[in-house]
Amino acid sequence: GAVVSQHPSRVICKSGTSVKIECRSLDFQATTMFWYRQFPKKSLMLMATSNEGSKATYEQGVEKDKFLINHASLTLSTLTVTSAHPEDSSFYICSAETSGRSYEQYFGPGTRLTVT
Amino acid sequence: SQQGEEDPQALSIQEGENATMNCSYKTSINNLQWYRQNSGRGLVHLILIRSNEREKHSGRLRVTLDTSKKSSSLLITASRAADTASYFCATQGGSSNTGKLIFGQGTTLQVKP
Repeated sequence: GAVVSQHPSRVICKSGTSVKIECRSLDFQATTMFWYRQFPKKSLMLMATSNEGSKATYEQGVEKDKFLINHASLTLSTLTVTSAHPEDSSFYICSAETSGRSYEQYFGPGTRLTVT
Repeated sequence: SQQGEEDPQALSIQEGENATMNCSYKTSINNLQWYRQNSGRGLVHLILIRSNEREKHSGRLRVTLDTSKKSSSLLITASRAADTASYFCATQGGSSNTGKLIFGQGTTLQVKP
């Protein structure tokens, strides 16, 4: 149990376009999901905390207008990278927290974004 | 912000040897977790140790936590080539009591067959 999926696993897009990444909890309800960004050979950097039905909480330095997060249901959160630039190329990973057990998070397999 | 510092940044050992990785953090925590990441993949949860625990075991893994020094260590015994991966510590909780994880910089482990 406790599987989190991400779609797509890889995406290549051109500068200026927008890309949407989906994060789904497949067999549990997630009131909270987290979005991370990881540069090559680096650690995970928390971008934002996404709560179902409310606005996401962004970490300092993360542009909320560039990285749009929507958590419309208890099993789905989406991250949209708007007007993508090559510097947005990165590995994006989501995690989902089980309701009522905040210490358990389950990570998705990640999405590799390449902006050309 | 990243609050975890891990050392070493890279570790190369022979199969069968033990591997020890260390993690330090700066703020108070509710728990500390260790994760493993194979290249280009997602994270796999290894073990969680709560702030009131000092040591925990899981198979070939042993984790210690010293809250007075704000540090933790992960020991992998009798390493295997399949243990080659990056290992991250992550802290959770503290005064804000949120579920978000703050990750350390990671240790890249190479186990040579």
